[in-house]
Amino acid sequence: AQSVTQLDSQVPVFEEAPVELRCNYSSSVSVYLFWYVQYPNQGLQLLLKYLSGSTLVESINGFEAEFNKSQTSFHLRKPSVHISDTAEYFCAVSDWTSGSRLTFGEGTQLTVNP
Amino acid sequence: DTGVSQDPRHKITKRGQNVTFRCDPISEHNRLYWYRQTLGQGPEFLTYFQNEAQLEKSRLLSDRFSAERPKGSFSTLEIQRTEQGDSAMYLCASSRTGGTSNQPQHFGDGTRLSIL
Repeated sequence: AQSVTQLDSQVPVFEEAPVELRCNYSSSVSVYLFWYVQYPNQGLQLLLKYLSGSTLVESINGFEAEFNKSQTSFHLRKPSVHISDTAEYFCAVSDWTSGSRLTFGEGTQLTVNP
Repeated sequence: DTGVSQDPRHKITKRGQNVTFRCDPISEHNRLYWYRQTLGQGPEFLTYFQNEAQLEKSRLLSDRFSAERPKGSFSTLEIQRTEQGDSAMYLCASSRTGGTSNQPQHFGDGTRLSIL
């Protein structure tokens, strides 16, 4: 069985500051990892994914995440956040045994203050 | 690519009534998923289809819940005899079937169900 732990339920930061949202996972087999973002009253939007290959993955809007197999982590980072980054962020895991079913963490609310 | 479409966006009903939600996936996607999200939580998997075949159901999907995808295109999720605990956001997602890699899922905006 898989599980995901997002270590911070809320992360408040000031605009232009760096941010890290932490995610740890548990699985007995090789995994695929995802970060999704959810704005109020909307569905989830894929931010970035790790499927294989390079352990550092980047999104088009400046976020990046690094897959660390030894620490079973997939932390999300951004060097300088904007007000518009305020949203709920979900880390998710799947593997080849799960039929692509995603297991999500409980989410981290990122609030960017001016 | 018109995205995943869900209808209705909001549904308010009395306890004990039946409700049905519809999901239209991205047209070339043959996998379709249903998730439930309660306030302050991450989405939880309910069931998924590959084409018209329902391949997996979560233990969360009690016998009051039924999902169909009759022609391998749109899907419906029905809840019979609704209970207070059914109040949640119901999310639909779709994806292609991957080769050796896992295809990412694309989500709709969800149907928010409120039970009075």
